[in-house]
Amino acid sequence: AQSVTQPDIHITVSEGASLELRCNYSYGATPYLFWYVQSPGQGLQLLLKYFSGDTLVQGIKGFEAEFKRSQSSFNLRKPSVHWSDAAEYFCAVGALLSGNTPLVFGKGTRLSVIA
Amino acid sequence: KAGVTQTPRYLIKTRGQQVTLSCSPISGHRSVSWYQQTPGQGLQFLFEYFSETQRNKGNFPGRFSGRQFSNSRSEMNVSTLELGDSALYLCASSQGTGERQPQHFGDGTRLSIL
Repeated sequence: AQSVTQPDIHITVSEGASLELRCNYSYGATPYLFWYVQSPGQGLQLLLKYFSGDTLVQGIKGFEAEFKRSQSSFNLRKPSVHWSDAAEYFCAVGALLSGNTPLVFGKGTRLSVIA
Repeated sequence: KAGVTQTPRYLIKTRGQQVTLSCSPISGHRSVSWYQQTPGQGLQFLFEYFSETQRNKGNFPGRFSGRQFSNSRSEMNVSTLELGDSALYLCASSQGTGERQPQHFGDGTRLSIL
């Protein structure tokens, strides 16, 4: 069965510092991977996705993620964090074709940004 | 293009009542998925509808049901509400066919059970 682990429940970084959020997945075939962000009281917004090809993918808001098959990881990075990045971040994994199986989400990592 | 719209945004009910939540997907999207989000359990998949048919179902009791209409709008119903049903219910839509496309989420309905 698919599963996603986000090992860090809460991370605090200083504004302007770099950020890396970890995501490890378990999946039997080639995974489709996503990162979403959720601000308080709102739904989830897609940051980026990985389907195939280049293992380093660029997303919105200056985020990027790297797919590493050997480590079953899809970590999210940002070189310089802004206060507005404070939110909860979710990693998700899905099958190749729509309808095969639902997306599976990690439990999320809450990001706090301090001055 | 309008996003996913969920109504109502907030709802307060008492134990034993039933509730219906509504979701209008992005125009052209035929798949609608529902999730329950709680602090303890995170995002849990409830069910997915595609072309008015339930295509996937999560591990929730039969009190949770849904349906999809011919215009792709979806409703979710919870009967005999329990305190533990207090949660943020999120709806997500996608094109739903062929190679998986990202899901687009609404802002959710916050359900509180007293």
